[in-house]
Amino acid sequence: SQQGEEDPQALSIQEGENATMNCSYKTSINNLQWYRQNSGRGLVHLILIRSNEREKHSGRLRVTLDTSKKSSSLLITASRAADTASYFCATVDSSYKLIFGSGTRLLVRP
Amino acid sequence: DAGVIQSPRHEVTEMGQEVTLRCKPISGHNSLFWYRQTMMRGLELLIYFNNNVPIDDSGMPEDRFSAKMPNASFSTLKIQPSEPRDSAVYFCASSDFSSYNEQFFGPGTRLTVL
Repeated sequence: SQQGEEDPQALSIQEGENATMNCSYKTSINNLQWYRQNSGRGLVHLILIRSNEREKHSGRLRVTLDTSKKSSSLLITASRAADTASYFCATVDSSYKLIFGSGTRLLVRP
Repeated sequence: DAGVIQSPRHEVTEMGQEVTLRCKPISGHNSLFWYRQTMMRGLELLIYFNNNVPIDDSGMPEDRFSAKMPNASFSTLKIQPSEPRDSAVYFCASSDFSSYNEQFFGPGTRLTVL
C-alpha cells in the first residue's frame, strides 16, 4: 500500500503563480523526499527533509514537514511553464525503502 | 557520470515470452532498486539490493518475476512468462545506502505485452 498521498491530484495554474502540493503519510519516517517526473521520463530528486527538520528551501522550492500531523507541503514559487510535471512525495522509514505517493499533476499555463 | 542506464528503452513482446530488463547503476552506489509504474497502481517498489544482496523482494508480484545483481555494476529483472498485465514502465534507481540519500532514477523501460 502507498504511504504518501498527495493532494490535489491535479493542479492548473498560470505562469508566475505559486503552486502548493500537500502530502500525507501514515507511519513514522526517517525523512521525506519530493521528486518530479516529466512525461515519459524518470523521476528526479528535488529536495529531502529529515524528520527533525520543519522547513527547507532550495531555489524556488520550499518544503515543510509536520510530523505531528504526518504531513508535508511543497511550494513552488513564481512557477514557470517548465515546472509542468508530476510531483511525488516519498517517505523513508527505518527499512530504507522509498514509498511513493500517487502524485500531483501540475500544469503551468504560459 | 552517465547516470543510471537502462536497456532496452522500449520492449514489445507477446504473452508467454521471456523479458529481461537491464540496469547499470551509478558507479559507487551500493543500493539498487527496481520499480514498476502503472496508471492504476502508481509507482511500486519491486525489490531492492544492498551491496549486490537482495534485501527486500516483498514487492515482487509473483514467481514469474525474478531479479539478480551479479556484481556492483549490473542488475537484471526477468519476467517469465510475461502476461499483458505486466505492461508498465519499469524503473531502476540507485543510491548510496548508508545515508538515506536521494535515489537516482534511470529513464525507464516501457514494456508492452501483447
